[in-house]
Amino acid sequence: GAVVSQHPSRVICKSGTSVKIECRSLDFQATTMFWYRQFPKQSLMLMATSNEGSKATYEQGVEKDKFLINHASLTLSTLTVTSAHPEDSSFYICSAPTGPSNEKLFFGSGTQLSVL
Amino acid sequence: GIQVEQSPPDLILQEGANSTLRCNFSDSVNNLQWFHQNPWGQLINLFYIPSGTKQNGRLSATTVATERYSLLYISSSQTTDSGVYFCAAPQGAGNMLTFGGGTRLMVKP
Repeated sequence: GAVVSQHPSRVICKSGTSVKIECRSLDFQATTMFWYRQFPKQSLMLMATSNEGSKATYEQGVEKDKFLINHASLTLSTLTVTSAHPEDSSFYICSAPTGPSNEKLFFGSGTQLSVL
Repeated sequence: GIQVEQSPPDLILQEGANSTLRCNFSDSVNNLQWFHQNPWGQLINLFYIPSGTKQNGRLSATTVATERYSLLYISSSQTTDSGVYFCAAPQGAGNMLTFGGGTRLMVKP
């Protein structure tokens, strides 16, 4: 299957700092990538859709100024959590679609963010 | 938007047992996927199954699109099958997926 690489796998930071998470498609190009957030023992919630060459599309209730998304190339999308607070602590996972109709979704390994 | 519900929410099996996980969805879909999230958080794509039946080793899945449900069968379960199983269906016409609540499976030796 397709490979999606996500870094870092774990981040511990102080409240008020910004954290950048990278998501790369290693063996295919992705004009679209999706960012999900997962709280402990809960399901994945879509945060935003990252679009190469244009602005990201955010889901209702997700602050675009807090979660900055940049899709710089066909293989790289970044999520920056700005001025992080303890309530931002969560597991963040990126994904990219592939297949003839982009029907299959492959995931990065996730980033566990802990804000102190 | 589409609603995706999974049952049971939790399941404990003895190694070697079989199980069936269910996924109900509220609207007709052209894309239904099953994923396994291991204890380290990695999501693995198990099946892309908008309709019909597929098998991969000890796992198989069936989607009955007209009745809006999908089933994941695990046979001869192993401890490495432990984790959370999610089904997901597209939200609207695009390819972004809405996930069900998951089934948390623990297989005991």
